[in-house]
Amino acid sequence: DAGVTQSPTHLIKTRGQQVTLRCSPKSGHDTVSWYQQALGQGPQFIFQYYEEEERQRGNFPDRFSGHQFPNYSSELNVNALLLGDSALYLCASSLVGKNTEAFFGQGTRLTVV
Amino acid sequence: QQQVKQSPQSLIVQKGGISIINCAYENTAFDYFPWYQQFPGKGPALLIAIRPDVSEKKEGRFTISFNKSAKQFSLHIMDSQPGDSATYFCAATEERSSNTGKLIFGQGTTLQVKP
Repeated sequence: DAGVTQSPTHLIKTRGQQVTLRCSPKSGHDTVSWYQQALGQGPQFIFQYYEEEERQRGNFPDRFSGHQFPNYSSELNVNALLLGDSALYLCASSLVGKNTEAFFGQGTRLTVV
Repeated sequence: QQQVKQSPQSLIVQKGGISIINCAYENTAFDYFPWYQQFPGKGPALLIAIRPDVSEKKEGRFTISFNKSAKQFSLHIMDSQPGDSATYFCAATEERSSNTGKLIFGQGTTLQVKP
């Protein structure tokens, strides 16, 4: 049973560019949440997708957007990258109604230079 | 009010010793408190979790103690092993009132268990 898979594992982008990160949820899961983990900090909730719609959003600017596909996979898009966007981006999947039982992927390490 | 404060930031324990990590919260609507373990280059993995209707939960060498009146909870790792060396995060969420399970994480504790 494949767990949560994220791609790519590492990414280097230049300030001002746009980036797309991808997540495939654990088999049987229908909900995807995205978190940003800055170096030495705990993860911070960006947003959650269920039924291809954003259900809740954390305190992140509109430069951060997402999408969920009919197969439950998800993308996180960040526009106009800033140096401060450098972080580990984590995807967590869960089953609706059991969202506290979330499984995390290994993350995508984004470095903005 | 959404914060979860975690301490200490780092911890060094001898093999066989007890590791203790503490967390405090302010939002009384939080009703689910998980602990996550994260190894370098990996995502967080759920270790153990507690709900406020009990004061303690034990799973193997890992125990959560919960003090509802003080709004504090802690993780105890008994007989700590070098393989326990990792970063530990406490978290909290409003399980009953939220339909998303949005997790609020503490800042993390880096544990090193010396052989």
